[in-house]
Parts: sequence; structure tokens; C-alpha cells
Amino acid sequence: DAGVIQSPRHEVTEMGQEVTLRCKPISGHDYLFWYRQTMMRGLELLIYFNNNVPIDDSGMPEDRFSAKMPNASFSTLKIQPSEPRDSAVYFCASRDGGNEQFFGPGTRLTVL
Amino acid sequence: AQSVTQPDIHITVSEGASLELRCNYSYGATPYLFWYVQSPGQGLQLLLKYFSGDTLVQGIKGFEAEFKRSQSSFNLRKPSVHWSDAAEYFCAEGATRGFKTIFGAGTRLFVKA
Repeated sequence: DAGVIQSPRHEVTEMGQEVTLRCKPISGHDYLFWYRQTMMRGLELLIYFNNNVPIDDSGMPEDRFSAKMPNASFSTLKIQPSEPRDSAVYFCASRDGGNEQFFGPGTRLTVL
Repeated sequence: AQSVTQPDIHITVSEGASLELRCNYSYGATPYLFWYVQSPGQGLQLLLKYFSGDTLVQGIKGFEAEFKRSQSSFNLRKPSVHWSDAAEYFCAEGATRGFKTIFGAGTRLFVKA
């Protein structure tokens, strides 16, 4: 298996623009997680899905953030409009029945 | 609420020296415990995990961790550190399937020659 795939790996955009981050989980994993990592706040869980259904979105910072999982092999995290304070590395992870999370390589987002 | 504490923000050890990274968890019942490593510019990679059974667990890259219920700890150890071990290490706790995994703040390991 190729592991968790995230795209793009790097994104540079201007304040106010819409940003869409993409994730393909490992086949057969029924949980998917979105995290944000910054120097100031460390690793934060934004939202997670079980069987494509959002279970806990309490970590989503604002209404500007939204996440979807239209099917078992694809998820998006959207920021609209983006702000400089959204600059961070965003990780997607998926999990199997063994409770171990497998992380993607991350998307480094820079909002100018 | 679940929480994971890593008391050391950063640690510096000499190459070849032993290493111990501390982790304390809060969950009262038997937790699922993990150690992950993150190299610069990379995602998190699982080093080892504890679910039940033998309290001393072996992981990849020569790491081991010991679960101590009486101390609510799950410290990571390595007998001889290599320069390539320089990275950030995260302890994590997942109470049971269906609960989200809680990560500690991380400990950054520096290795000096």
C-alpha cells in the first residue's frame, strides 16, 4: 500500500483565497483524521471521520474551515477565506481496527 | 478528560549515550499508548504501541517503552542513541476504539557528536 497520500505537499496562497487540501487514506481504514501542526500550538486534532461520517469537529477553529469525506477513499479540508494565521502543516491520518494511526507526509500551507 | 504530558520540551544527549523520554497519561482504565517519531519535514511514524500484556514493549529502531500503571507513565528508552535519532517524539493515548487519540506536546531530541 502507498500509505496515506496528501496533496499538495506545499501550498502558498494569498490572504482571502480559498485553499483545498486533499487526502487519500489507506484502503480499508475506517477512521480519518485531520490535524494541524504549528510551533505555537503543536499538533491539534481538527476533525475526524468514521465510515465517512464526521464524528467530532470540535477542533475546527472557525467556520472558515470545513471538511468533507464523500467516500471511503477521499477527504478534503477547505479553508475559505484563508488568513495568514492559518499557515501551518496540515496532516491527514487514517486508522484501522488496531487503533494505530498512519500519517500522511503533510501539506505545508503558507498564507501571505 | 484524557491528557498526555511530556515534561521535557527538548533534550540533548551525546551520541552513544542512553536516552529516556518521559510521558504521563491521565486515562484511568487501561489505555492504548503510542510513541511516534517525526523527522524534520516528515509525517509522524509509529515507533511502538502498548495495548495489553507485557509492560515492556519493543519497537522499531531499537526503541523500547515501559508501561507503569502505578506511575501512569509510558517512558521511551534507547540504550545507545545515534545521530539519526534526532527528531521530535510524541507520546499519545487512545482510550479505546472510537475515541480520538490524544497527543502530547512532543519532545525534541538533539544529538551531539
